[in-house]
Amino acid sequence: QSVLTQPPSVSAAPGQTVTISCSGSSSNIGSNPVSWYQQLPGTAPKLLIYDNNKRPSGIPDRFSGSKSGTSATLGITGLQTGDEADYYCGTWDSSLSVYVFGTGTKVTVL
Amino acid sequence: QITLKESGPTLVKPTQTLTLTCTFSGFSLSTSGVGVGWIRQPPGKALEWLALIYWNDDKRYSPSLKIRLTITKDTSKNQVVLTMTNMDPVDTATYYCAHRPAGWVYFDYWGQGALVTVSS
Repeated sequence: QSVLTQPPSVSAAPGQTVTISCSGSSSNIGSNPVSWYQQLPGTAPKLLIYDNNKRPSGIPDRFSGSKSGTSATLGITGLQTGDEADYYCGTWDSSLSVYVFGTGTKVTVL
Repeated sequence: QITLKESGPTLVKPTQTLTLTCTFSGFSLSTSGVGVGWIRQPPGKALEWLALIYWNDDKRYSPSLKIRLTITKDTSKNQVVLTMTNMDPVDTATYYCAHRPAGWVYFDYWGQGALVTVSS
């Protein structure tokens, strides 16, 4: 049902870098800012990135976001075991007048 | 600080109507631009946006669930209520409410979630 496509999983060793893609269309990512959410196991989602590349207070600069055309990317550098979580992108879809989430990506620290 | 908390039944029977209440503090839903949304997550599955109500009582619904959903607000009580009719086992999920800041398109504060199981 999600209109934003993410890879199901990514993994890397501690200290390394991972990137998560989020692919959409001209009516959602192409027209509106993207946000990213981190969901640790058993907890509610937490805002990680908003307005494509801005971090809320308290979010370390190891997390970064970017957007190009109809795709967005979340980057995590210096990977830590505490980063193991599900990550979701989200944005508004102007054609459907709805908020849409990505399919979600599980990050595993090897 | 902003906090939100969902409340409602943990178990509903098929065909029944679910009523969930989001009680919040730290902001007012009468402030221009502010919104409160509902999002759900079936066990082991992705987030699904359900509905959003704005400060001016404008409402938006997921097209696939629109006929079953109603979102309302009580500004004096700092509450937002979501009702979903004709519940089915596939509606079993954790239901979250979340704050949408004025002028932005994201959810910055989330409730802890309420697990609702649909079973006879």
